[in-house]
Amino acid sequence: ETGVTQSPTHLIKTRGQQVTLRCSSQSGHNTVSWYQQALGQGPQFIFQYYREEENGRGNFPPRFSGLQFPNYSSELNVNALELDDSALYLCASSLTSGSTEQFFGPGTRLTVL
Amino acid sequence: QQQVKQSPQSLIVQKGGISIINCAYENTAFDYFPWYQQFPGKGPALLIAIRPDVSEKKEGRFTISFNKSAKQFSLHIMDSQPGDSATYFCAALRTSGTYKYIFGTGTRLKVLA
Repeated sequence: ETGVTQSPTHLIKTRGQQVTLRCSSQSGHNTVSWYQQALGQGPQFIFQYYREEENGRGNFPPRFSGLQFPNYSSELNVNALELDDSALYLCASSLTSGSTEQFFGPGTRLTVL
Repeated sequence: QQQVKQSPQSLIVQKGGISIINCAYENTAFDYFPWYQQFPGKGPALLIAIRPDVSEKKEGRFTISFNKSAKQFSLHIMDSQPGDSATYFCAALRTSGTYKYIFGTGTRLKVLA
């Protein structure tokens, strides 16, 4: 086990709603990245947070936003949910922003109806 | 230029056989190439990684072969075991700037007993 936890495990929402997903990084890891993994696809980089600041973003619209807290936890917020947002959302923690090794959590399966 | 193309999509191998998964990239700025293993219900876990200054790296039964001129790299699993049955993802990273991992689309490996 990586020591990275995510909650909830599964979530069902309807189109237009908002959702918050949570991640608890390994102790001492000041960097967290979030990924979207559609069914049968590889993870796609959403954004990275380093010391509570956004440190880079992939090709995702502004309705995907995040927060990182001093206690090694973080959130991914998605507003105005669309059907295509249905996916497995993964967080990965790293010791620091310059670390190549990242440790993934088990993910949150989001279904948008 | 940001894509990493992975093949095959699925692979069936007999126990004791060799599993080979291939990836190709375009962006020559990538300088770190990991392979991840993902079991159902789990997040990806780092298996082995290579940098472009070496042509091969071996860790136990797992070997990465890297061809810098062809911009290709592959994962070889020797003496494949049923416990190796999982989805494998290659990835590429540019270690300057924000660490945006680019993942391949995955290969579902099944090793028959």
